[in-house]
Parts: sequence; structure tokens; C-alpha cells
Amino acid sequence: AQTVTQSQPEMSVQEAETVTLSCTYDTSESDYYLFWYKQPPSRQMILVIRQEAYKQQNATENRFSVNFQKAAKSFSLKISDSQLGDAAMYFCAYRSDTGTASKLTFGTGTRLQVTL
Amino acid sequence: EAGVAQSPRYKIIEKRQSVAFWCNPISGHATLYWYQQILGQGPKLLIQFQNNGVVDDSQLPKDRFSAERLKGVDSTLKIQPAKLEDSAVYLCASSIGQGRGGELFFGEGSRLTVL
Repeated sequence: AQTVTQSQPEMSVQEAETVTLSCTYDTSESDYYLFWYKQPPSRQMILVIRQEAYKQQNATENRFSVNFQKAAKSFSLKISDSQLGDAAMYFCAYRSDTGTASKLTFGTGTRLQVTL
Repeated sequence: EAGVAQSPRYKIIEKRQSVAFWCNPISGHATLYWYQQILGQGPKLLIQFQNNGVVDDSQLPKDRFSAERLKGVDSTLKIQPAKLEDSAVYLCASSIGQGRGGELFFGEGSRLTVL
């Protein structure tokens, strides 16, 4: 079974600075998808960024980018120019690209605080 | 576009009582998911529907949990009888299809407290 590990329960960053959230995963598959989801205090989770494992190029969405290291099974999220609205729980998630039913497996999350 | 709707937002019950949660997915989304999120943990999939058929319920405690999606639209998750360890937020999500790179859209969740 696939597992997703987020080793940083909490992180803090000053406004306008850059922060990196870590994620590692364990899988024997070669084709899969990786995601970062954001869950603000209102609890509605939204997708931040996604990465297809077959793509070598790291995904980027405005201030959010990932560092995908397939061999190391590492998928970190970098937030540049942090804003107060970035404060939330961030979940790393894995989804297999094989099989008839493929569930999204989440890590335990990292709580990001943004300070002035 | 309306998002995923869930109700109730909060529910407090005593152990051994029953509870039901309702979810209305985004219009046109064929796939619906129920997740359980225990405090301090990431969401765990309980059941996944494709239209009105079950695709994955391998982690659903079937002795006490049940779910249905009649007519392939809205869905109900029931717990009977509830245990203390069922205290959690129950998240409903939907996606257009089963495409594995596709985005899941989540509701705000239903927080259950079992006393």
C-alpha cells in the first residue's frame, strides 16, 4: 500500500518570505499523480498544485512550485512571497495511475503559519 | 457554479446513537467520495461512487457505516451505532470522472462529536 509522509507538523514563515513544505511517499509503481491540497480553517480543501510522475518538469502555479524527485520519492512544495492568506493546513496526496479504483492517499498535513 | 454542499455542519450525539450526513456534489460530477478526517490526521477514503455504483469501499466499517447514492446525484452516509472513535469531520468530495489526475472538489465537511 502506498504511504505519504509529511514530517513537519507545523511551519512558520514571515510575510513575503519563502517556505518549503516536505513530503515523501512510498510506492512501487511508476505511474502516479501527486497533489498538494490546502485546507484553510473553514475546512474546505482546495487543490494547490498537481504533478504527473511521468513529467520531469516541476509543476508551477503562480507563487507555488514543487520540487519533484522521483528517484528519492520526494515531493516538496515551495511557496514564494508568502501571504497571510496562505495560512492553512497543507496536505500532500498520492494517487496511483493503475487499477480500476484508485484512491487519493493523504499525508498527515503541515500547519503553516504566516506572520507579519 | 455551486460547490459541494454538505449538511449538517455540526452534530453531537451519544455513543450507540445513529447519525446521517448528506452530500450534494457539483452538478455533472459523476464521481463522489466520502472521507473521514480524524483530528490531527489526513483524510481517509471511506467510499467512492461512480454514478450510483460503488467503486471502492474497502475502508468503510460496514458493520456500522453505510452509504448510498440514489440516482447518481446526492449521497447519504449513515453511522449506526456510533462509537467514540467515530468523532471526526466527514468530508464529501466530487470529481467529473475517475481520471486519476483530476481535481477533487471538497465540501466544508460535517463535524461529528460522539460523547
